[in-house]
Amino acid sequence: SQTIHQWPATLVQPVGSPLSLECTVEGTSNPNLYWYRQAAGRGLQLLFYSVGIGQISSEVPQNLSASRPQDRQFILSSKKLLLSDSGFYLCAWSVIGDRRYHGYTFGSGTRLTVV
Amino acid sequence: AQSVTQPDIHITVSEGASLELRCNYSYGATPYLFWYVQSPGQGLQLLLKYFSGDTLVQGIKGFEAEFKRSQSSFNLRKPSVHWSDAAEYFCAVGAGNNDMRFGAGTRLTVKP
Repeated sequence: SQTIHQWPATLVQPVGSPLSLECTVEGTSNPNLYWYRQAAGRGLQLLFYSVGIGQISSEVPQNLSASRPQDRQFILSSKKLLLSDSGFYLCAWSVIGDRRYHGYTFGSGTRLTVV
Repeated sequence: AQSVTQPDIHITVSEGASLELRCNYSYGATPYLFWYVQSPGQGLQLLLKYFSGDTLVQGIKGFEAEFKRSQSSFNLRKPSVHWSDAAEYFCAVGAGNNDMRFGAGTRLTVKP
């Protein structure tokens, strides 16, 4: 069966420090991968999505970047964190070509607090 | 572009009472609609989905939702709420090749 792993679960980082959040998917090949951010009391904001290795689409210009070095690995990064980067980050995957029918499967999230 | 509106930010119901969470969408073609649930500090779990056929769909945990094209709605219902249903609920519409739009969410509190 397919599983999605996201780590770390929680992270406290000082302003100006770098960030690296990792997401991996098991049990499927060539998934679509997504990074969402959920600010406190707000909905989900799509940050990046990827349809293949090295293919990244950015939805919102910001202090973050994403990379997909392997088929089932998706990394969210920042060179210098801002206070406004605090939030709950969710990774998700979907079946290519059929995501409308199956929806997305989400990881358990990373709570990032920038201090 | 499609959009989703969840009019209720927060709802409180008593345990054992019925529940209805509202969702309205805007989309020019046949939408693909989903409801997700998020427990505190957790990811989102798919409750149910609709993309064609019977407009009343059954999901996990005793939830159901009804698609009403004339009202552009996809409301989530449960006949008897349990304390473990306290969570945040998100409605979403999927369309296009890489587009899933989520509502802002409705937080459900269950009173004992």
